[in-house]
Amino acid sequence: EPEVTQTPSHQVTQMGQEVILRCVPISNHLYFYWYRQILGQKVEFLVSFYNNEISEKSEIFDDQFSVERPDGSNFTLKIRSTKLEDSAMYFCASREDRVDEKLFFGSGTQLSVL
Amino acid sequence: AQTVTQSQPEMSVQEAETVTLSCTYDTSESDYYLFWYKQPPSRQMILVIRQEAYKQQNATENRFSVNFQKAAKSFSLKISDSQLGDAAMYFCAYRGVFRDDKIIFGKGTRLHILP
Repeated sequence: EPEVTQTPSHQVTQMGQEVILRCVPISNHLYFYWYRQILGQKVEFLVSFYNNEISEKSEIFDDQFSVERPDGSNFTLKIRSTKLEDSAMYFCASREDRVDEKLFFGSGTQLSVL
Repeated sequence: AQTVTQSQPEMSVQEAETVTLSCTYDTSESDYYLFWYKQPPSRQMILVIRQEAYKQQNATENRFSVNFQKAAKSFSLKISDSQLGDAAMYFCAYRGVFRDDKIIFGKGTRLHILP
C-alpha cells in the first residue's frame, strides 16, 4: 500500500527557534492535512491544503504556523518561533480527489520544544 | 459545528472475548462518513473501519464491526475474538461529504487486552 512519509521522526528544538516538518504525500493525492496530538490527548486538526492554498485552518493554526508545497511533492509545516506548548506529535495526511476516498496518515514527527 | 464524543477513556477485555467501544456524534448534516482509527504504541494512525451515513448496512472488516444508529447519532465499534495486538488507542472520527472536509476526532478510548 502507498505511504505518506514524514521526516524527521523526532525533532528537538529550543523555544523560540524555527522548525520545519516535512511530508511527502502519496503521489496522486490532491488534498493535504496537518494534525497534531499532544501526548495522551485527542488528534487535533491544524490545516487543510488544496490547489496550492489553504482550504481551512483551525484556531491553533495562528500566525506562527505556515504550510507550503514548494516543489509539487513535499508538503511542509513551519513553526516560526516555537513555544513549549507546541510539543506534540504532528501528523501529515493526504487523500485523492474523490469525496469518498480515505485519508492516509504518515507515521508522525514527534516535536519536543525545550 | 460537528463534535465527536467518546465517553470511555479506558476499557479492558479478556483475550478472545468481545468488546464494544462507544461513540456518539453531533451533526446537522444528513450525509457524512464515520471512521474508527487505531493508534498502537507506535502512534501510527491506522484506519480500522469506515461507514457511509447513507448506507443502512453496518460495515464489517473481519473481526471488527460497527453498530451505526443514525437517528441516535451513535457509532459503536465491536471487536470480536480480541487479540493482544488489538491493544491500542481507538479514535472515533467524523467527516463531511464536501471535497475539502476535514476529519474530526473524538478523544479516544484506550483498550487493554488481558491475557
